[in-house]
Amino acid sequence: EAQVTQNPRYLITVTGKKLTVTCSQNMNHEYMSWYRQDPGLGLRQIYYSMNVEVTDKGDVPEGYKVSRKEKRNFPLILESPSPNQTSLYFCASSLSPEGASGYEQYFGPGTRLTVT
Amino acid sequence: KQEVTQIPAALSVPEGENLVLNCSFTDSAIYNLQWFRQDPGKGLTSLLLIQSSQREQTSGRLNASLDKSSGRSTLYIAASQPGDSATYLCAVSGQSGGYQKVTFGIGTKLQVIP
Repeated sequence: EAQVTQNPRYLITVTGKKLTVTCSQNMNHEYMSWYRQDPGLGLRQIYYSMNVEVTDKGDVPEGYKVSRKEKRNFPLILESPSPNQTSLYFCASSLSPEGASGYEQYFGPGTRLTVT
Repeated sequence: KQEVTQIPAALSVPEGENLVLNCSFTDSAIYNLQWFRQDPGKGLTSLLLIQSSQREQTSGRLNASLDKSSGRSTLYIAASQPGDSATYLCAVSGQSGGYQKVTFGIGTKLQVIP
C-alpha cells in the first residue's frame, strides 16, 4: 500500500531535549516536505527536499533541521525544542513537478508534539 | 509572496444541498492546485488535483475548477451528506524565490446537518 508514515504519532517532551520525528514513504517520490499546522495559521512549510542530499528552507525553518540521506526517509530534527514548537506536524511526499502525476502530495497521519 | 484565501471560513448546510467552496490565490504562476479534506485531528486526504493547464477535475460528487488568470478555484460538492463534514483545504504549488513552494489556505470548515 502506498503510504507516508510518521513516528511517533504523539510526543510530549521538555524544553531543550533533542528529538527526531521520522518520516518514510514507499512510493519512490523525489520530493518530500515537512509542515506544521497551527490554529488560525493553517499549514506552513518548514523544510523540503527535492531529492537525496538536496534540502532547502520553507517558510518557518527556524529551530528545525532535516536530512535526506536516503530517498525514502526525511527525518525532522528539533535540536533544542521550545514551547512555541508545540504543534501538529505533517510529512508529505510527491513526484517532482515534472512527474506524470504532477505535484499531487501525499500526507502522513501527523505527529502531535507538545513541548513543556 | 503567494497568499491563499478560502471563503467562507465555516459553512453549515442541510443534507442534500449543493454547495460551493471558494479558494483564491494572489500569484497566478502556479504548477497546480490541490483540494484536500481534513477530519478533526487527522491527516490530509487528497480530493482533487488540477494542473495549471487544466480548467476542471471531477471525482464522484466533487468538481473542482481553476481559473488561473483570475486566481480562483472552486470546489463544488453535489448532494451533500453528513459524512462530508470536515475541513476543506486548498493548496497551490509553484516557484517562489527559487524554490518549490506550497501554500495552503486556512480552510473552510463544513458541517452537513442530517
